[in-house]
Amino acid sequence: SQWGEENLQALSIQEGEDVTMNCSYKTYTTVVHWYRQDSGRGPALIILIRSNEREKRSGRLRATLDTSSQSSSLSITAAQCEDTAVYFCATEGGGADRLTFGKGTQLIIQP
Amino acid sequence: EAGVTQSPRYAVLQEGQAVSFWCDPISGHDTLYWYQQPRDQGPQLLVYFRDEAVIDNSQLPSDRFSAVRPKGTNSTLKIQSAKQGDTATYLCASSFGGGTEVFFGKGTRLTVV
Repeated sequence: SQWGEENLQALSIQEGEDVTMNCSYKTYTTVVHWYRQDSGRGPALIILIRSNEREKRSGRLRATLDTSSQSSSLSITAAQCEDTAVYFCATEGGGADRLTFGKGTQLIIQP
Repeated sequence: EAGVTQSPRYAVLQEGQAVSFWCDPISGHDTLYWYQQPRDQGPQLLVYFRDEAVIDNSQLPSDRFSAVRPKGTNSTLKIQSAKQGDTATYLCASSFGGGTEVFFGKGTRLTVV
């Protein structure tokens, strides 16, 4: 699970497996963003979930949000090598127009 | 449509030197952000603008860092006297109306030796 003071976490799985990354946040938010960052690139938004949605799907991605426990998860079904990247959750802390990022999860998909 | 453009892509400095980073946001985006991303960590907001006005610079080390966006379009982030602790990737991002989706540039990787 990302957030807090720990550094980037690493997760390695085989191609075709499913994977879930967790995010616990401290500041109240009604929206959680999930970004992926490829090596040498800036983060890119992949899915966003609001508190009234509880679950959101986009292709092989599934995000959940539980505001009562202040946690969110991102699942990838049938992971592919191109899913290898760093994944961050981010909350709209301190106002809707600024993001606070977690520490991230380095996901490595082995062929 | 062009994305957020940053230059330079890389910079290597000795401690005490100055450096400037330049950012061209997506056309029409009124909100511009500068983030600092240390190695193996998430991006951390330094400062952001709405048009030419600074909205929040509370995380910007004001004694050595400065940021401007004079015409509400391009922006420059400057470090006056770099320290080894400034080693990080500096990301510029933009959005429309402080909107939901924030678009990031590729970043400038700074190494201070």
